[in-house]
Amino acid sequence: AQKITQTQPGMFVQEKEAVTLDCTYDTSDQSYGLFWYKQPSSGEMIFLIYQGSYDEQNATEGRYSLNFQKARKSANLVISASQLGDSAMYFCAMREARDDKIIFGKGTRLHILP
Amino acid sequence: GAGVSQSPRYKVAKRGQDVALRCDPISGHVSLFWYQQALGQGPEFLTYFQNEAQLDKSGLPSDRFFAERPEGSVSTLKIQRTQQEDSAVYLCASSLSEVGQTAFFGQGTRLTVV
Repeated sequence: AQKITQTQPGMFVQEKEAVTLDCTYDTSDQSYGLFWYKQPSSGEMIFLIYQGSYDEQNATEGRYSLNFQKARKSANLVISASQLGDSAMYFCAMREARDDKIIFGKGTRLHILP
Repeated sequence: GAGVSQSPRYKVAKRGQDVALRCDPISGHVSLFWYQQALGQGPEFLTYFQNEAQLDKSGLPSDRFFAERPEGSVSTLKIQRTQQEDSAVYLCASSLSEVGQTAFFGQGTRLTVV
């Protein structure tokens, strides 16, 4: 079974609009962390935002926020006021305390249209 | 250096050739991960070290793949008798060893088997 599911293979969004990238996860651990990474066409993997399983507040980092719904096991990334430079692959990832390895979803390719 | 360094950046190997990919993690990072990323896909977990101990190698696709980190710092991923399906980008990441710690990635090694 997939541990991290990203159901949107590709998305097209108009510049300056907000965009939500979906991520659901599967774990029986109580302690885990959720991450979002951005991978532009250059190939580098850029860390965006982190949410801990015990965090009560949704994480925010500049234009990025994480909509964490623990009961639904979802951790959607919200990008406000999208920019052309946001065009990239976006990956959701999870790190469980019991085995410590980081597992990635298949990603969503985001295209920002001028 | 300040970041994770991987070498070589590009490697072309003839089918059947052995290759060795190097990862130099961020100084002090206990955890080190190797991933394989096919074009347009998410990173697939290969193996994980904590210091010099290889704690999980469940993602290695076959016994042709071997990884080591003998002194708990630099790691080498070795692929013996390369095959065309081994062509991919191999990503290395390092982090501190806690569930909330972000993994930082190298630029990757693009392996092409011809």
